[in-house]
Amino acid sequence: DVQLVESGGGLVQPGGSLRVSCAASGFSFSEYQMNWVRQAPGKRLEWISHISSSGYTVNYADSVRGRFTVSRDNAKNSLYLQMNNLRAEDTAVYYCARDKWVQLFDYWGQGTLVTVSS
Amino acid sequence: DIVMTQSPDSLAVSLGERATINCKSSQSLFYSSNKKNFLGWYQQKPGQPPRLLIYWASTRESGVPDRFSGSGSGTDFTLTISSLQAEDVAIYYCQQYFGSPRTFGQGTKVEIK
Repeated sequence: DVQLVESGGGLVQPGGSLRVSCAASGFSFSEYQMNWVRQAPGKRLEWISHISSSGYTVNYADSVRGRFTVSRDNAKNSLYLQMNNLRAEDTAVYYCARDKWVQLFDYWGQGTLVTVSS
Repeated sequence: DIVMTQSPDSLAVSLGERATINCKSSQSLFYSSNKKNFLGWYQQKPGQPPRLLIYWASTRESGVPDRFSGSGSGTDFTLTISSLQAEDVAIYYCQQYFGSPRTFGQGTKVEIK
């Protein structure tokens, strides 16, 4: 079975940094593009980042470009999101999501909560 | 950005009755080259991640019960649950994958009347 398991969330102060991870299993990770999607409390889902299967091509939403960096390690079947200069509005559950194609998401992890607060 | 607007925000339906959720996009999601609408629907139950139900506006994902159906084209789309079951209580989201960035509707909460 396809499994995506996020980790690394927590409480961080404004301006701080955090790296969240996603461990993938049950499929050939290196063959799939991957994404990060977040959901702030009571808000709609927001796509924030995409990475190609090789890791060479990345894309970001305007809201996080320049502050967040997506990467992957295909040897470790892992996806990462480095988040710098965090703001209160970045408080959300962060999901990793597999790309069925063209950023339609067919499998999601359970999510990891990131809270930005002093 | 393409804005996705769902209606209603919430609805209560009796068990066994039909539930209908609408989704409107700010621009057409129809791609003439492949004659498909780049629109998906997700179900999110409390405490769970979203689950893909429908893609290409009307194609059910593997394992999705046939009481779920999608329709529409261009800018107006509908998700129908033909006979609501207790396990269908959830928030439903539409998502466009036509333009960048990909965007979601605000969600429609379905409850039992």
